[in-house]
Parts: sequence; C-alpha cells; structure tokens
Amino acid sequence: DTGVSQDPRHKITKRGQNVTFRCDPISEHNRLYWYRQTLGQGPEFLTYFQNEAQLEKSRLLSDRFSAERPKGSFSTLEIQRTEQGDSAMYLCASSLFGSGNTIYFGEGSWLTVV
Amino acid sequence: GENVEQHPSTLSVQEGDSAVIKCTYSDSASNYFPWYKQELGKRPQLIIDIRSNVGEKKDQRIAVTLNKTAKHFSLHITETQPEDSAVYFCAAEINQAGTALIFGKGTTLSVSS
Repeated sequence: DTGVSQDPRHKITKRGQNVTFRCDPISEHNRLYWYRQTLGQGPEFLTYFQNEAQLEKSRLLSDRFSAERPKGSFSTLEIQRTEQGDSAMYLCASSLFGSGNTIYFGEGSWLTVV
Repeated sequence: GENVEQHPSTLSVQEGDSAVIKCTYSDSASNYFPWYKQELGKRPQLIIDIRSNVGEKKDQRIAVTLNKTAKHFSLHITETQPEDSAVYFCAAEINQAGTALIFGKGTTLSVSS
C-alpha cells in the first residue's frame, strides 16, 4: 500500500500520560499535515511541514503538542500530559507541493483519554 | 485567516434525486476548493476539486461550481445512490502560498432507496 499510513490506529491512555503518533506519507510527497477531527466536525488544521521545516501551526496546537519531521519523511505528533479534551481522531495527510498539491489522508489515529 | 461555512449540515434525499451542498469562504485569495467524502470510521477521500481559473467541473454524476465574486462553491450530485450516503466536506486553500486547507463542518447525506 503506497498511501499515507498512521500508527497506532487506536490508542487508549490515562489522563496525564504522553502519547505519540507516527505518520508515513506517500513516498516523495514533500508536504505533511496533521489535522484533528472530533465526531460531527470537519478536520481541524493543526500543523504542516514542507520537507523538514514546520511552516505553520494552528492556535489549536497548545504547547502540550509537538510535531516533528526530522528527515523530511515520516512525522511524529506527541501530546504531553493528555487531557480528556484531547480525545479525537488525529489525521495525517500528505501532498506534493508544486504539482497540484492534492492532499491525501491517512486512516487516522483514534485517541481516547480516560 | 480563512473560514469556511457549509450548508446544510444534514441532507436526506430519495434515490435518484439530486443533492446540492453549498459552501462559502472568507478569504478572497483562496484559489483551490476540494470536496472530500468520508464514510463512517474511514479517511476523508477526495472526490472532486476545482481551481479558481474555472467556474465548473464535472466528473460523471458529480459536479462542482465556483462563484469567486460571491465567494461560494457548491457540490452537485445527480442520480443519487445509497452508496453516496456519507459525510461530505468542502475545503478552501490559498494554494501555492504556503497555507493549509481549511475545512467546513461537513454535510451528512443520507440517500434512501
């Protein structure tokens, strides 16, 4: 499968714990995005990278959230000291900027904070 | 920043009828407008998109229209089928300018047979 892959697909964690999600974009895609989606809502933009550079961060991304894309390929999204309000699906997407920039999503990582 | 409003939030139609979903956007610099379909528990999937240099685009039963003056765009699905039932999201982006895609809140389409 050459699509965007995310891991883990599901995570249940206790409030206050840290969690990390990984995203592998479509090969050769230079842009990678993180979105958050809660039930009944559209995807909310969190942050995106072009190659290794983090170009934009939403105000939604509190200082408990950090994202990295160290080698311009896979990315990680870490949430520290999780809160119940962090429960959501975290969607990763990628695109080839400069060639139409069509954005393709992964299947998402479901986070439940108990 | 960009803001995208989508209406209606729910839409129920009979099989064979047409369905129309409308979106408005706030930033006149936006120039790329994709539509995504999301089935329960699945990823959003691109079904059609339009760029600001065209006013309409069709792909079989799906069409999208864009009115840049009014800052709105619409999705039209003709001859709806039960498998069209899903949540549809519109989005807008200032393509090529380093900004991210901003989504509407979605429309739940139900097609009954």
